[in-house]
Amino acid sequence: RKEVEQDPGPFNVPEGATVAFNCTYSNSASQSFFWYRQDCRKEPKLLMSVYSSGNEDGRFTAQLNRASQYISLLIRDSKLSDSATYLCVVISSGSARQLTFGSGTQLTVLP
Amino acid sequence: NAGVTQTPKFQVLKTGQSMTLQCAQDMNHNSMYWYRQDPGMGLRLIYYSASEGTTDKGEVPNGYNVSRLNKREFSLRLESAAPSQTSVYFCASSEILGGEADTQYFGPGTRLTVL
Repeated sequence: RKEVEQDPGPFNVPEGATVAFNCTYSNSASQSFFWYRQDCRKEPKLLMSVYSSGNEDGRFTAQLNRASQYISLLIRDSKLSDSATYLCVVISSGSARQLTFGSGTQLTVLP
Repeated sequence: NAGVTQTPKFQVLKTGQSMTLQCAQDMNHNSMYWYRQDPGMGLRLIYYSASEGTTDKGEVPNGYNVSRLNKREFSLRLESAAPSQTSVYFCASSEILGGEADTQYFGPGTRLTVL
């Protein structure tokens, strides 16, 4: 089982739709969580951190469920410019730092 | 402020050739990282450097070596390239290692093909 798993998609949604992605992690010692965005043939860029209480940034909402070991990303009112691959990232503590990327969920917003 | 820069952007090697990928950051970050990205595999950590003068292995270090030349620069060397090393390589840096503040800033990537 992969340490961090994401539904690869692709998710094809119409402009204005609400879409949600989930990401599950296997290491219960995981401490920090992030969502990154990666455009085609570009480098990943931080979208938002994920806090225990959940957090919102404009149209984007991130949530963490420690009991079920998953994080989620909700995008409301999708824009064409939201088309990208969304990567979840989990950082685990311990004697050796472990940062693990999910393989990403591809989103295409259609006009 | 260029952020993280990588050279070269593209490279084609023959099996057995060697090369060094260069990475530099101008954000005064302490930690630097090398990843590879393959289709369906996500980003995998090759090596990282928590601070100047230290390097540690990541998930997939075999076939690679690194040098943290100074605080700004972190290079990745392939001593004897193999087709399995065909990938996109990303360098990244962060202010500190670990924790919620460990935001990674990535370079534009190097697309390497080994024939």
